[in-house]
Amino acid sequence: GESVGLHLPTLSVQEGDNSIINCAYSNSASDYFIWYKQESGKGPQFIIDIRSNMDKRQGQRVTVLLNKTVKHLSLQIAATQPGDSAVYFCAETRGNTPLVFGKGTRLSVIA
Amino acid sequence: DGGITQSPKYLFRKEGQNVTLSCEQNLNHDAMYWYRQDPGQGLRLIYYSQIVNDFQKGDIAEGYSVSREKKESFPLTVTSAQKNPTAFYLCASKIQGSDGYTFGSGTRLTVV
Repeated sequence: GESVGLHLPTLSVQEGDNSIINCAYSNSASDYFIWYKQESGKGPQFIIDIRSNMDKRQGQRVTVLLNKTVKHLSLQIAATQPGDSAVYFCAETRGNTPLVFGKGTRLSVIA
Repeated sequence: DGGITQSPKYLFRKEGQNVTLSCEQNLNHDAMYWYRQDPGQGLRLIYYSQIVNDFQKGDIAEGYSVSREKKESFPLTVTSAQKNPTAFYLCASKIQGSDGYTFGSGTRLTVV
């Protein structure tokens, strides 16, 4: 498949453990944030989003935390599975402007 | 099934040639976007279009051109002026007023 991130930071976790992926965003005026998952050779898939008037949002096995004071976003994945292995991107936007993506983190799940 | 389709999946081009990447969506989305992805650099915005017959440059528009003659289609031309065109190109779309993007599966362009 395509090399979507040869030099990305990598997080290795044991199957069944929780994963935490961090992201520092750049624009203090951003009001909407998204996490995407990208498997090799595929386009990014939406995981979870959060607006700036919230500091936490939960989905199925995933939680996003937003700390606007330090411009930090994190994605928590509970009970990580082999199928979670992928590159994860955070993205930010303000109003109707295009999404701005972070550099990504590769998650590697050890069975 | 509704979706966004990029073609071809793999594309090879000789230096000095222009090449056009296709992006078609049947989601009735208003806005469409082109991103470039290189190893270690995430996704960078090339061009975007929020309505038909209108488009704006993104962060790395030099060496690229686009058109938006139909709502469904947003082709990207990589011209010979693009110094380093080898990359993975992603097209996305969204409904105006919503937030989430739908991405295509990408086109891998290699200059030979």
